[in-house]
Amino acid sequence: SQQGEEDPQALSIQEGENATMNCSYKTSINNLQWYRQNSGRGLVHLILIRSNEREKHSGRLRVTLDTSKKSSSLLITASRAADTASYFCAMHGSSNTGKLIFGQGTTLQVKP
Amino acid sequence: NAGVTQTPKFQVLKTGQSMTLQCAQDMNHNSMYWYRQDPGMGLRLIYYSASEGTTDKGEVPNGYNVSRLNKREFSLRLESAAPSQTSVYFCASSETWDSPYGYTFGSGTRLTVV
Repeated sequence: SQQGEEDPQALSIQEGENATMNCSYKTSINNLQWYRQNSGRGLVHLILIRSNEREKHSGRLRVTLDTSKKSSSLLITASRAADTASYFCAMHGSSNTGKLIFGQGTTLQVKP
Repeated sequence: NAGVTQTPKFQVLKTGQSMTLQCAQDMNHNSMYWYRQDPGMGLRLIYYSASEGTTDKGEVPNGYNVSRLNKREFSLRLESAAPSQTSVYFCASSETWDSPYGYTFGSGTRLTVV
């Protein structure tokens, strides 16, 4: 299965701290994406990184991709209470590009 | 607001009943998708439509059918609902499968089958 595995499953930090979430996958990918889901809501796209890229930034978000280790990480710097949500990695496999397959997610709680 | 609209937002069905979940997008996207999300889990792809006139199976297509009615609309049908289909269903769309903007999701349909 292409499905990503995320670590940790849950993370609790204080406001102002950095949060790091990791995603590992099994087979080669075309791209890897990160999404946020607030409780009871739909998912919101955060960032996409392609297999030939190693790092991308968007505001307080930094995503890295290591295709040799088949892993990615999402770093949220200077976290805020509003960052409290579930975060999912998702990937398109290199051979079946129509299917975006999601990991099981990391639940992040940022305490004020 | 521009985006993906799903109807209904909530639905309770009895085992064996049928229903259609509706999804429409107004962003002129080519590709549309149906996912289900069960408690504590990520999303699982049911069916997708890469472009108008095409549909393909995802990870968990059994018990479902889809129709890409036109470029805007993509419906999901449960012919004979089962308790295992109790879930939250999300529709999504994207300009292309690898758009740098990713997928845009609707707010979901919470379905309970009793």
